[in-house]
Amino acid sequence: EAGVTQSPTHLIKTRGQQATLRCSPISGHTSVYWYQQALGLGLQFLLWYDEGEERNRGNFPPRFSGRQFPNYSSELNVNALELEDSALYLCASSFQHLAEQYFGPGTRLTVT
Amino acid sequence: AQKITQTQPGMFVQEKEAVTLDCTYDTSDPSYGLFWYKQPSSGEMIFLIYQGSYDQQNATEGRYSLNFQKARKSANLVISASQLGDSAMYFCAMRDVEYGNKLVFGAGTILRVKS
Repeated sequence: EAGVTQSPTHLIKTRGQQATLRCSPISGHTSVYWYQQALGLGLQFLLWYDEGEERNRGNFPPRFSGRQFPNYSSELNVNALELEDSALYLCASSFQHLAEQYFGPGTRLTVT
Repeated sequence: AQKITQTQPGMFVQEKEAVTLDCTYDTSDPSYGLFWYKQPSSGEMIFLIYQGSYDQQNATEGRYSLNFQKARKSANLVISASQLGDSAMYFCAMRDVEYGNKLVFGAGTILRVKS
């Protein structure tokens, strides 16, 4: 069974640009979560999508947004990139919203 | 709000020995779930073990076991027969059901296995 996949592996952008990160959940999983792991700040919850709807978001500005597609894959968009957005962005999926979350390999975003 | 505390920034263990990674938590919810994840240098978070607050027995998964002491609000991870491949960052996490099922993570413990 294929795990959670994320693309791209690495992304380099300049300040002010937009970044788009993609995630494909494990087959059969309907919930997708996004987390940010920035140096010194630990893992912070960003967004939760379930059945195509945004169910909850963490304490991040509106320039962090995303969506979930009918096939349950998800996209995270970060607009007006700032230097402090440099981080590892991890996507996780779960079969149901109370089940274990399985993570993908992450996308390392570098903003210069 | 829920909180996870991991007080050991780094740990060393000799290959083939057992090691305990500490985790304490704080929550006012009577029903909660606790998780341990392993993060190698590659970055991927690997799910290790889960303990529900109402589970009567401590969770075990192969060489991993969770020493769950509810009254002390601790959920320590025990790794038996350490292997070199166990060297990684380990995170304790709790599901925050009130705020949309997000995972709240501790700061992590870096484990180094010595040969």
